[in-house]
Amino acid sequence: NAGVTQTPKFQVLKTGQSMTLQCAQDMNHEYMSWYRQDPGMGLRLIHYSVGAGITDQGEVPNGYNVSRSTTEDFPLRLLSAAPSQTSVYFCASSLRGPTYEQYFGPGTRLTVT
Amino acid sequence: AQKITQTQPGMFVQEKEAVTLDCTYDTSDPSYGLFWYKQPSSGEMIFLIYQGSYDQQNATEGRYSLNFQKARKSANLVISASQLGDSAMYFCAMRRASGGSNYKLTFGKGTLLTVNP
Repeated sequence: NAGVTQTPKFQVLKTGQSMTLQCAQDMNHEYMSWYRQDPGMGLRLIHYSVGAGITDQGEVPNGYNVSRSTTEDFPLRLLSAAPSQTSVYFCASSLRGPTYEQYFGPGTRLTVT
Repeated sequence: AQKITQTQPGMFVQEKEAVTLDCTYDTSDPSYGLFWYKQPSSGEMIFLIYQGSYDQQNATEGRYSLNFQKARKSANLVISASQLGDSAMYFCAMRRASGGSNYKLTFGKGTLLTVNP
């Protein structure tokens, strides 16, 4: 099993550009989520999904879109990049329930200039 | 809203000694899960240990144990016999099961542990 994969590993964008961060998992997990990690802030939830076709907002959703057409994939779209979106982005997946740990991808380091 | 508090931004410990990393949480839900993750300087998130709100015994995983005090809403991580490879950022997190939370995971801000030789 590859687990949770994310592409790209690094990305530099100019302000106003759009892009999609890819996330895929091969563990048949219902639950997938996107976090951003900023220094001193821990990980903050951007969007999450509890199954194909079902998504919802997390703590910091502004400027980001998600969709979930399959169980495996959960892409994160930046609509118009801003310097405030410079961060490390993690995708995670798990079974659905409070007792299950989330499996994290390796992260994407995004810089917006 | 649920909240996780890690009051120690940084901790130092001598190699082979034990260290406790503090975590308190705030929730009114009866059912929840508490997790600790390790993030070394390479950046990946590594799951360490889990404690369920209804578990009667404290969780243990090798050198990691979780000191769970439900009435105090604390879930401290204890690392015994510290090793140089334990130097990393440690995050406490909570996953609720009710109130429309849809099992969202909430993280604390982390504690940076440095193990000295």
